[in-house]
Amino acid sequence: GESVGLHLPTLSVQEGDNSIINCAYSNSASDYFIWYKQESGKGPQFIIDIRSNMDKRQGQRVTVLLNKTVKHLSLQIAATQPGDSAVYFCAEVGFSGGYQKVTFGTGTKLQVIP
Amino acid sequence: EPEVTQTPSHQVTQMGQEVILRCVPISNHLYFYWYRQILGQKVEFLVSFYNNEISEKSEIFDDQFSVERPDGSNFTLKIRSTKLEDSAMYFCASSEEENEKLFFGSGTQLSVL
Repeated sequence: GESVGLHLPTLSVQEGDNSIINCAYSNSASDYFIWYKQESGKGPQFIIDIRSNMDKRQGQRVTVLLNKTVKHLSLQIAATQPGDSAVYFCAEVGFSGGYQKVTFGTGTKLQVIP
Repeated sequence: EPEVTQTPSHQVTQMGQEVILRCVPISNHLYFYWYRQILGQKVEFLVSFYNNEISEKSEIFDDQFSVERPDGSNFTLKIRSTKLEDSAMYFCASSEEENEKLFFGSGTQLSVL
């Protein structure tokens, strides 16, 4: 069901440690996935994407893992920095309700402790 | 780096009034979108636009909403008669390919009183 309210799951990480943010998606027909970062008062910022024919993709300091069997996506951030503090959410792209759409998750708040 | 720009950043309006939210997508992008985010909730899809017409719209995008690309650079969202529940952050986005690598603007915070 829909998540309503002000409480986001929060992940607190020490500066320099690695962060792992998880996401469960809902539509088994989704074939493309995106991780976004949203800082306070700003729009979502594209981080990395992955197609369903892959299970891993690496970017600069970030890695996305896709497990289609359990409909699970994760974002790994290496050597987390204070500037990484933000809300992170995954988005799945697939056909739902008769049309292709991007469906966003609720998000996880990452707090980096200096 | 090219970016999507939105104006105004904040809009306060009375219930029943019309508002127009403005966006300038990235210049070489072909697909344009409006999303909204009610405080504390998920980002929700409103509408997508391609080749000067709506390609998809959600159930939120009712007859009170309309979109327009009046010239080669602007993309607007109009709400004809605002309701209290229209209060939200409205994000414009654009992309080169449909539903891939959407680039978002910083949003317009709409407050309906």
